[in-house]
Amino acid sequence: AQKITQTQPGMFVQEKEAVTLDCTYDTSDQSYGLFWYKQPSSGEMIFLIYQGSYDEQNATEGRYSLNFQKARKSANLVISASQLGDSAMYFCAMREPNFGNEKLTFGTGTRLTIIP
Amino acid sequence: EAGVAQSPRYKIIEKRQSVAFWCNPISGHATLYWYQQILGQGPKLLIQFQNNGVVDDSQLPKDRFSAERLKGVDSTLKIQPAKLEDSAVYLCASSFTSDPNQPQHFGDGTRLSIL
Repeated sequence: AQKITQTQPGMFVQEKEAVTLDCTYDTSDQSYGLFWYKQPSSGEMIFLIYQGSYDEQNATEGRYSLNFQKARKSANLVISASQLGDSAMYFCAMREPNFGNEKLTFGTGTRLTIIP
Repeated sequence: EAGVAQSPRYKIIEKRQSVAFWCNPISGHATLYWYQQILGQGPKLLIQFQNNGVVDDSQLPKDRFSAERLKGVDSTLKIQPAKLEDSAVYLCASSFTSDPNQPQHFGDGTRLSIL
């Protein structure tokens, strides 16, 4: 079963608009973490934002915020005032406990294209 | 702060040949990861090191893949012999500790093409 599901393979958004990238996850653990990474065409993975399962507030980092709905097991990334440089692949990832060997499981990604 | 360094950036080989990738993590980062990212998919963890010890290699195809981090700093990942399905981007990442709440920092990756 998929642990991380990103249902939007691609999105096109007008510059300066806000965009929401969807991510749902599947876990039976109470303690876990959710990460979003950006991957431009150059290939590197850039860390954007983190949400812990016990965090009561939604995480925010500049123009990025995470809409965390624990009961629905969703952790959507919101980018406000999109810019041309936001065009990239975006990956949601989950960290689950594994006796000290925690590892990240990534979704299949969403390709975001910002239109001028 | 210098980021995670990887080389080579690109590699093209024929099937059944061998290849090696190199990674230098961020200075002071004890934990190092190798991921395989096949086109159209998210990265998949191959192996995780804590200093020079292996923490998790459960998804490493050990009949053909090997990795080492002898002095707890640089790491090499080797494939021998390569198969067509090994065509992918190989990403190296590091983190300061194995604290799962700390983000992993990634290098630019090595794009491997098998002919």
